[in-house]
Amino acid sequence: NAGVTQTPKFQVLKTGQSMTLQCAQDMNHNSMYWYRQDPGMGLRLIYYSASEGTTDKGEVPNGYNVSRLNKREFSLRLESAAPSQTSVYFCASSADRGRGTDTQYFGPGTRLTVL
Amino acid sequence: AQSVTQLDSHVSVSEGTPVLLRCNYSSSYSPSLFWYVQHPNKGLQLLLKYTSAATLVKGINGFEAEFKKSETSFHLTKPSAHMSDAAEYFCVVSPVEDSSYKLIFGSGTRLLVRP
Repeated sequence: NAGVTQTPKFQVLKTGQSMTLQCAQDMNHNSMYWYRQDPGMGLRLIYYSASEGTTDKGEVPNGYNVSRLNKREFSLRLESAAPSQTSVYFCASSADRGRGTDTQYFGPGTRLTVL
Repeated sequence: AQSVTQLDSHVSVSEGTPVLLRCNYSSSYSPSLFWYVQHPNKGLQLLLKYTSAATLVKGINGFEAEFKKSETSFHLTKPSAHMSDAAEYFCVVSPVEDSSYKLIFGSGTRLLVRP
């Protein structure tokens, strides 16, 4: 049982390049999330998906797009990377459909540097 | 608006001594509250959660936290620190009254355990 997996683990981009971060969970969870973690700021929600086929903006969605490909997979796309998007990105999932009380399970993170 | 404040950015203790990590929250109603731990270069792992049942919540690895509504606090404690407890700890609130999925993270407390 792998839990939540993320690829890649590390990535370096030049300003203006695009890339997609992949996330998959094998726990049959309904909800999935993308966060970014910056020093001294905790985690901030970028986008979330309460169920397959739905996505909604979180606290810091600008510059990102997401796709809930199926129940297992939730990808995050940077169309034109900027240095301000240098961060560690975490994907998470939870069983609930938006109640917010269920435990979120986190992936190991993707460390992204934009030059 | 809901918020969570971790009162110490860094805490240093000696191995075998008690740990206290402080957290205060702001919420209109009784929220769900969580403590997550993040070891270096790892994802976040749930330590414990409060969801309006018993006010004293026991978690993994000997940690516990007490929900005090009158003080709007949810401090994390452990009687005796172990070297493996060195990590960053996040207090998290889920504002259940607005039916959102959004967790609000504190800025984190880095725990250092001295031999």
